[in-house]
Amino acid sequence: GQQLNQSPQSMFIQEGEDVSMNCTSSSIFNTWLWYKQDPGEGPVLLIALYKAGELTSNGRLTAQFGITRKDSFLNISASIPSDVGIYFCAGQDLLSGNKLVFGAGTILRVKS
Amino acid sequence: DTGVSQDPRHKITKRGQNVTFRCDPISEHNRLYWYRQTLGQGPEFLTYFQNEAQLEKSRLLSDRFSAERPKGSFSTLEIQRTEQGDSAMYLCASSLTEYGYTFGSGTRLTVV
Repeated sequence: GQQLNQSPQSMFIQEGEDVSMNCTSSSIFNTWLWYKQDPGEGPVLLIALYKAGELTSNGRLTAQFGITRKDSFLNISASIPSDVGIYFCAGQDLLSGNKLVFGAGTILRVKS
Repeated sequence: DTGVSQDPRHKITKRGQNVTFRCDPISEHNRLYWYRQTLGQGPEFLTYFQNEAQLEKSRLLSDRFSAERPKGSFSTLEIQRTEQGDSAMYLCASSLTEYGYTFGSGTRLTVV
């Protein structure tokens, strides 16, 4: 089945530093999504990418849909304490229905 | 717009008991999804409804699991004869199109 490899598994960074995480897949996806999840809550959509090569920003967040359609990265610039949480990538293949396939997550901790 | 609402937020049950969870999607969203998330993992797809029709079911959804969306609005997920391996966060999401899910806060199930 489809699997996403997300890295790194965790990061512990200093406030103000930039962060980069990525996802790779063995399969092609039509859509890549990045979510953030706080403890005890559901994932919240940060950025959605719909086209290969697309680069999209949302405030301090920037994400790109790889041109091979098998990878994506998320960058967070100038991290702040409220960036703490678990970040998930998710791929969607519309030809395989509407389900999302999620990575295992990147745990982000920020030292202030 | 009150978002996707899930009830209860937490449920502790004894092994062998039946449990039922409820999800109220965003009112105009005709698509509804159930996912399961275990500790340290990303959410995994369980099932998908478009209006009242259940269009897709994962192999994760064993015979003990059943989901309904009788009037195309709220949905219920029932687990019969719960097992310890059923302990997880059960997430509901809804959307208007095939893109851009909104997740609820989840129901945390603990089977003792």
